[in-house]
Amino acid sequence: KAGVTQTPRYLIKTRGQQVTLSCSPISGHRSVSWYQQTPGQGLQFLFEYFSETQRNKGNFPGRFSGRQFSNSRSEMNVSTLELGDSALYLCASSLGTPDNYGYTFGSGTRLTVV
Amino acid sequence: KQEVTQIPAALSVPEGENLVLNCSFTDSAIYNLQWFRQDPGKGLTSLLLIQSSQREQTSGRLNASLDKSSGRSTLYIAASQPGDSATYLCAVYNTNAGKSTFGDGTTLTVKP
Repeated sequence: KAGVTQTPRYLIKTRGQQVTLSCSPISGHRSVSWYQQTPGQGLQFLFEYFSETQRNKGNFPGRFSGRQFSNSRSEMNVSTLELGDSALYLCASSLGTPDNYGYTFGSGTRLTVV
Repeated sequence: KQEVTQIPAALSVPEGENLVLNCSFTDSAIYNLQWFRQDPGKGLTSLLLIQSSQREQTSGRLNASLDKSSGRSTLYIAASQPGDSATYLCAVYNTNAGKSTFGDGTTLTVKP
């Protein structure tokens, strides 16, 4: 059974550009959550989608947005990149909602902003 | 606001030793607590999920306990091996927040 797949694995972008990250959850999983991991802040929650609807949102600026498609795949977009957006972006899927089923994480996308 | 603390931040033990990692949280209104391991530069691998109504979960050499009233969880690793070397993170899913709050992790090194 395939796990959570995140693409691309690595990205280098220039300040001011925008970027889109992709996450394919485990087959049958309906919830996708996104977290940002940095050495200084640890893991910070970005948002969660369930059946194409954003269920919860973290405390990030509006430059961070996401969506979920009917096949449960999710994308995260960051516009007007800043140096501080350099981080490991992790996607997690859950069979149902994470409060009942917990998370299964992907390998992450390492974003470097220069 | 939920705060999750993991002590110690780093731990080094000889192979074969049994060890305990600690996780404490300030808000007991949780749905679940999940333990993960993370290898350098990689994603998180789920080890154990404990629902708020449960006291412990076991998988192989791992045993996790949860005491919601005191805001504590422990991860017990039996007969540690060099392959157990990684950072171990605990995450608490809050009732009202709709997300998990993660600790900063304990970095474990098991020496051959």
